[in-house]
Amino acid sequence: NAGVTQTPKFQVLKTGQSMTLQCAQDMNHEYMSWYRQDPGMGLRLIHYSVGAGITDQGEVPNGYNVSRSTTEDFPLRLLSAAPSQTSVYFCASSQTGTEVYNEQFFGPGTRLTVL
Amino acid sequence: GDSVTQMEGPVTLSEEAFLTINCTYTATGYPSLFWYVQYPGEGLQLLLKATKADDKGSNKGFEATYRKETTSFHLEKGSVQVSDSAVYFCALMSDSNYQLIWGAGTKLIIKP
Repeated sequence: NAGVTQTPKFQVLKTGQSMTLQCAQDMNHEYMSWYRQDPGMGLRLIHYSVGAGITDQGEVPNGYNVSRSTTEDFPLRLLSAAPSQTSVYFCASSQTGTEVYNEQFFGPGTRLTVL
Repeated sequence: GDSVTQMEGPVTLSEEAFLTINCTYTATGYPSLFWYVQYPGEGLQLLLKATKADDKGSNKGFEATYRKETTSFHLEKGSVQVSDSAVYFCALMSDSNYQLIWGAGTKLIIKP
């Protein structure tokens, strides 16, 4: 049981490049989400999904796309990287997105630098 | 909208000292409250939670009580260890949209 896995761990991009951050979970969780973590700002929700085929925007969705074709995978796509997207990105999952006491399980994060 | 405010860090303590990290919140309805911990180089993991007023969450010697009258969820530990050095995040989950709202995090440094 690997939990939530993310790849890559580190990435450096040039402005304008695109890339996909991978996230997978093996706990059969319905709910998955992407956050970015910036110094002094806590975590901000980018996109989330309550099940395969269903995605929605969070607090800071601009410049990012997601899809959820399977329960296990929830990739995050940067369409045209900008320096403002330099951040640490965390993927998280929980059993369901409709109960207030659910624990979220986090991946180890991807540290992205955009030059 | 809903929000979480926690004390700024870093907080630096000596080993075996008493720890308090303050967390207050603003929310409508009946949110659940959480403390997550992030050890260096790792993702976040749940430390404790409370789902209704007057509930006390506890884990690994840490405690926090859901105080609706003061809208607070302060994290406490009686005797900290060097291994407790980490960043601690307070968060609430709204019962209207089930999204987690995060505090900015408090870095805790414990010196031997």
